[in-house]
Amino acid sequence: ILNVEQSPQSLHVQEGDSTNFTCSFPSSNFYALHWYRWETAKSPEALFVMTLNGDEKKKGRISATLNTKEGYSYLYIKGSQPEDSATYLCAFKYNFNKFYFGSGTKLNVKP
Amino acid sequence: ETGVTQSPTHLIKTRGQQVTLRCSSQSGHNTVSWYQQALGQGPQFIFQYYREEENGRGNFPPRFSGLQFPNYSSELNVNALELDDSALYLCASSGGTEYNSPLHFGNGTRLTVT
Repeated sequence: ILNVEQSPQSLHVQEGDSTNFTCSFPSSNFYALHWYRWETAKSPEALFVMTLNGDEKKKGRISATLNTKEGYSYLYIKGSQPEDSATYLCAFKYNFNKFYFGSGTKLNVKP
Repeated sequence: ETGVTQSPTHLIKTRGQQVTLRCSSQSGHNTVSWYQQALGQGPQFIFQYYREEENGRGNFPPRFSGLQFPNYSSELNVNALELDDSALYLCASSGGTEYNSPLHFGNGTRLTVT
């Protein structure tokens, strides 16, 4: 069983704050690293799929970086809004056919 | 396009019984994977099906089995239910096993075993 760790477990910020989370994963047999946003009462929604060391992806106020050699990815949210409140999951794709998810970072943005 | 749908949404079963969960994949997707999410944990990978064949499996016992049909919909079967099987079961489809295919999730089935 591979270990994928996310930190922090939960985060409470004020509207307008910028924040970031970490996903740590094994540096061997890397295939891809996914980020998902999971809002309450909805299904997880893909944010980014990252495959190359040094990848940087951006979607509006959310961006992510990838370091496959040291086994970590950062997710950044600039100017957090209440609608950003959700659990953010990362998933390490091992080879082409297995996914290992972290336990998620639960973000609460207060107006 | 039609998204991923799962049925039923909730289910209560007794220990020792068997259960079948169903998933319709998103239009055009040929790969389906299943996940178990217990309280306080991230989704745990059960298995993946690609073009009707299982081609990846997580650390789950053989009493967890599946099927994928020619229309790429899928079933998850769990035999001899145990209390620890109580969880949210998520199904996800993707456009293939390519490295850059994101997962498209259904809303899940909440299984309670008493």
